[in-house]
Amino acid sequence: DTEVTQTPKHLVMGMTNKKSLKCEQHMGHRAMYWYKQKAKKPPELMFVYSYEKLSINESVPSRFSPECPNSSLLNLHLHALQPEDSALYLCASSDRGNQPQHFGDGTRLSIL
Amino acid sequence: ILNVEQSPQSLHVQEGDSTNFTCSFPSSNFYALHWYRWETAKSPEALFVMTLNGDEKKKGRISATLNTKEGYSYLYIKGSQPEDSATYLCAGGGSQGNLIFGKGTKLSVKP
Repeated sequence: DTEVTQTPKHLVMGMTNKKSLKCEQHMGHRAMYWYKQKAKKPPELMFVYSYEKLSINESVPSRFSPECPNSSLLNLHLHALQPEDSALYLCASSDRGNQPQHFGDGTRLSIL
Repeated sequence: ILNVEQSPQSLHVQEGDSTNFTCSFPSSNFYALHWYRWETAKSPEALFVMTLNGDEKKKGRISATLNTKEGYSYLYIKGSQPEDSATYLCAGGGSQGNLIFGKGTKLSVKP
C-alpha cells in the first residue's frame, strides 16, 4: 500500500467537463508535487507546493489548476482539457526538497 | 538541472550477474541526484538521494555513487535477481524538489 493516496484511480471525461483529482498524505511532508506521465515515458513535473504555497509551475496550461487546502491535501482541478492531456497523473510528497519523493499510484485520465 | 541522460537505454543480464548503469547531468548548479526504481503499472519507488561529491549509498544489493565535478552517477546491482527487473530512473533535483527525470535504463534479468 502506498502512503500517498490518489483518487480516483481512473477518470474519463469530455473536453467540456470539470473534474478534480485528489491526493492525500499523512507523513507530515511539507512538499507536494504533481507530475504528468505519458505511456513508457518518465514523469514530467507540473507543479511544486512547499508549505502549502505554490512554488513552481512548469509552464502548465491554465486548464490545469492546482490547489493545496492544507498540508495533507493536494488537488488538481481540470477544465476544458484536450485529448493530448490523456495521461497518468502522479502525486508525490517529500519532507524537503533534497529528500526522496513518495509517489501515489496515480490517476489514469482519459479525455474523450 | 536541465538535462539528465541515462545509459544504456536497456540491459539484459542473466541471474547472478552484476551490472551497472550511468546517469549523466550538467555539473554546474548541482543540488541533488535521485535514483528511483519503476516497475510497469506501478509508481516510482525511491532508492537513493545523493547531494555530496563522492557520496556512496547502499541498499541491499544495490548501491550508487556520485561525482558532481564530472557530472555522473553510477548505479550498481550485485548478483542480479529476476525481481530486480524494472526501469531505473535517475533525476536531477533542485532545492524545491523539482525533479528532471532521465529516460531510464530498463533492466531485464533472466532466470
